[in-house]
Order: sequence, then structure tokens, then C-alpha cells
Amino acid sequence: GAGVSQSPSNKVTEKGKDVELRCDPISGHTALYWYRQSLGQGLEFLIYFQGNSAPDKSGLPSDRFSAERTGGSVSTLTIQRTQQEDSAVYLCASSRGQANTEAFFGQGTRLTVV
Amino acid sequence: LAKTTQPISMDSYEGQEVNITCSHNNIATNDYITWYQQFPSQGPRFIIQGYKTKVTNEVASLFIPADRKSSTLSLPRVSLSDTAVYYCLVGVNLTGTASKLTFGTGTRLQVTL
Repeated sequence: GAGVSQSPSNKVTEKGKDVELRCDPISGHTALYWYRQSLGQGLEFLIYFQGNSAPDKSGLPSDRFSAERTGGSVSTLTIQRTQQEDSAVYLCASSRGQANTEAFFGQGTRLTVV
Repeated sequence: LAKTTQPISMDSYEGQEVNITCSHNNIATNDYITWYQQFPSQGPRFIIQGYKTKVTNEVASLFIPADRKSSTLSLPRVSLSDTAVYYCLVGVNLTGTASKLTFGTGTRLQVTL
């Protein structure tokens, strides 16, 4: 596609439910990043993928969070047993994966846990 | 990873030049310096990237002194539409692989008439 696509754009879920957030990166981009941004705050790094491998999972807040990437393309971020503090905008970005290349961001998924 | 420090906010009038400085004292030899811009309700957008001295594109200039412990993003003649948050990043250069992109708190620029 022309850019990074994230779905859904908005998600309201009840506390305790599981949610899946999807990211379609730009075709050919081998690197994929997930971030979380709370209202008025900066970007919190969650995880990044090089191909299907995740060299750095250090940003995942708890074991309720997991992410996978298949076929070097689509990635899914799963949050189990959602809590109200999980409410935020979840941003995905992709890049060519070579050192220091530009990362392109999607519009994000706004998650609200009620 | 090198930590970055930026002013939390800046104010400017339309038509002025704005300079935002970022400190990165622990920058590594292979690290590049990258700046992103973020508008409300949007993902960040790449502005400019450099390694040393000066880089200029159609949007901004990036000044990097010889010791590379800081960098300055220069926005010429800002307009109201430049109101945004600006992030400075210093990434780990892993040749042939992706870099972990760590965003700091950013600088919130407010441009007024």
C-alpha cells in the first residue's frame, strides 16, 4: 500500500477483554515498530521487528502484551485482559530496515478500555 | 542508547526562525541524529537526519557541532502550521539491521500570529 495502515482506527473494549491491533507496513519494509502514546505524552517504545524476529521486546509493559509478525509483513499486537491504564493510541511504523533509514508511521489505533 | 534532552516547549511568532536544540552527550560513533514532527492525532513524520556538520532540505536545517554532543533543528520562517511536537532521536546504528528508535519527550512548539 501507499503507507502504513493500522486497524481498527478506534477500539472501545471492556476491562478484562482481549484486543488485537493490526499493522500493515509499507510493502518491502523489513523493520516494523510498535509504540504507545498516552494523551499529551511522548511515544513509549514497545517492540520492534527485523523481519519476523523481535530483537528487542524490552518495552512491552507486562506479560499481557505480546506481538507477532508473520511473512515479514503484517504484525499483530495483542493485549490480554485489558486494563484501563492500557487506554492510549498505539502507533505502528515501518522502515526499510537498514541502519538509520526513515520510519513511516501509521495513523494509530485509539484504544479505550472502559 | 544515547539519551536525549530537549526543551519541553517553545513559543514563536509567525515568520520567525526557530531553533530547537537537543543534547545527546552519550552519542556513539555510529549514531545518526534524526528529527521527527508530530501533529495532534497523527503519527510522527520524518523531518531530517544527519551525522555531522550541516544538513539542509526543503523543510529544515540540522546543525551538528564537531563533538556531536548536541544538534540544532532550524525551522526558517515558521507558520501557524508548524505548531507541533518535535522529537530528536539518536539511534543505534546496526549495519544492515533495523535500529531501535527511542523517542524522548519532545519539544512542543507553539506558533502564533
